[in-house]
Amino acid sequence: RKEVEQDPGPFNVPEGATVAFNCTYSNSASQSFFWYRQDCRKEPKLLMSVYSSGNEDGRFTAQLNRASQYISLLIRDSKLSDSATYLCVVKTGANNLFFGTGTRLTVIP
Amino acid sequence: GAVVSQHPSRVICKSGTSVKIECRSLDFQATTMFWYRQFPKQSLMLMATSNEGSKATYEQGVEKDKFLINHASLTLSTLTVTSAHPEDSSFYICSAASGMATEAFFGQGTRLTVV
Repeated sequence: RKEVEQDPGPFNVPEGATVAFNCTYSNSASQSFFWYRQDCRKEPKLLMSVYSSGNEDGRFTAQLNRASQYISLLIRDSKLSDSATYLCVVKTGANNLFFGTGTRLTVIP
Repeated sequence: GAVVSQHPSRVICKSGTSVKIECRSLDFQATTMFWYRQFPKQSLMLMATSNEGSKATYEQGVEKDKFLINHASLTLSTLTVTSAHPEDSSFYICSAASGMATEAFFGQGTRLTVV
């Protein structure tokens, strides 16, 4: 079983739509969780960390469910500029980072 | 945030030659560096994990004699693609992490084209 599993998509949504991505992880000892965004031909960049209590940054909301071992990312009022691949990342131990395969999002005008 | 500098950003080389890619952490000590490869429209694939001063741990299917990784200092790791072939053409990305930080910081990536 993979450390991190993520639906690769693609998700094609109209502008203004709300879209949610989920990601599951296998190691219950995982400590830190992140969502990264990767644009085509660029390196991944940190979008937001995911905290146990859930956290919001503008149109983006991240949540963690430790009991079910999944994290989610909700994007409200989608913009064209949100089109990218979203990677969930789980950290276990000091420096063991595990990446999901990424979910491709395309926001359509 | 922390900065990881990867060089070169783009390289074209002849088949059979070797290419070295550098990854530097500019403002923190990277105890661990990760090297990834990404083919077009595919996800990041972890190639190897290296800890400063020790041998890299390679993922299954990655040839350690072909992809030489050196992590001699806390701020520099190098990946050398030896005897490159056209099928090695890809986007190579490094990321760095330290025991203090929780997130990973990525280099800008190197687009390798072998002709």
